[in-house]
Amino acid sequence: AQSVAQPEDQVNVAEGNPLTVKCTYSVSGNPYLFWYVQYPNRGLQFLLKYITGDNLVKGSYGFEAEFNKSQTSFHLKKPSALVSDSALYFCAVRDGAGGSYIPTFGRGTSLIVHP
Amino acid sequence: EAGVTQFPSHSVIEKGQTVTLRCDPISGHDNLYWYRRVMGKEIKFLLHFVKESKQDESGMPNNRFLAERTGGTYSTLKVQPAELEDSGVYFCASRPSGNLYNEQFFGPGTRLTVL
Repeated sequence: AQSVAQPEDQVNVAEGNPLTVKCTYSVSGNPYLFWYVQYPNRGLQFLLKYITGDNLVKGSYGFEAEFNKSQTSFHLKKPSALVSDSALYFCAVRDGAGGSYIPTFGRGTSLIVHP
Repeated sequence: EAGVTQFPSHSVIEKGQTVTLRCDPISGHDNLYWYRRVMGKEIKFLLHFVKESKQDESGMPNNRFLAERTGGTYSTLKVQPAELEDSGVYFCASRPSGNLYNEQFFGPGTRLTVL
């Protein structure tokens, strides 16, 4: 079985400050990890993914995420937040060992960046 | 390249009525997925098509839900009869075949409200 936890329903940060959106996961095999963002009235947009290799993954819009195997985490980060980053962020995991290749999503974290 | 499109964007119906949602995937994407998100909850997998065949329909809630993908192109998801608990946002996503590491491309979703 695979699962994802996004422990924060909402994250508030001031513009220009660094931001972190947390994600922890559980899978039987090797994890394939994804972050998506949903802006108001839009579909989910892919931000970045970790499959293998370097633990620090860089993605769209200046976002990055760090894969930490020992802590089973894949937190999303950005050094300097913008008001336009305000959106709903979803973490997802898929078991790289096979199975149905269907990702499991978290509940989402609402990021609010204050001017 | 056109993205995944969904129709309608919103639907409000009364309990007991029928609703049909449509998804047009990105051209050439063999894989098509349906998901549902109830307010504040996880994005839940419903089913997965590979071309016109149902690969995995383990997430379909019950037999009131019927999904089809005629000719392996667009897909429809019919709910008949609708119940209050069917309310939520229904997302469609598509993915090309070949590379199992590929992320999914999501449509904007259909917000279904059952009164």
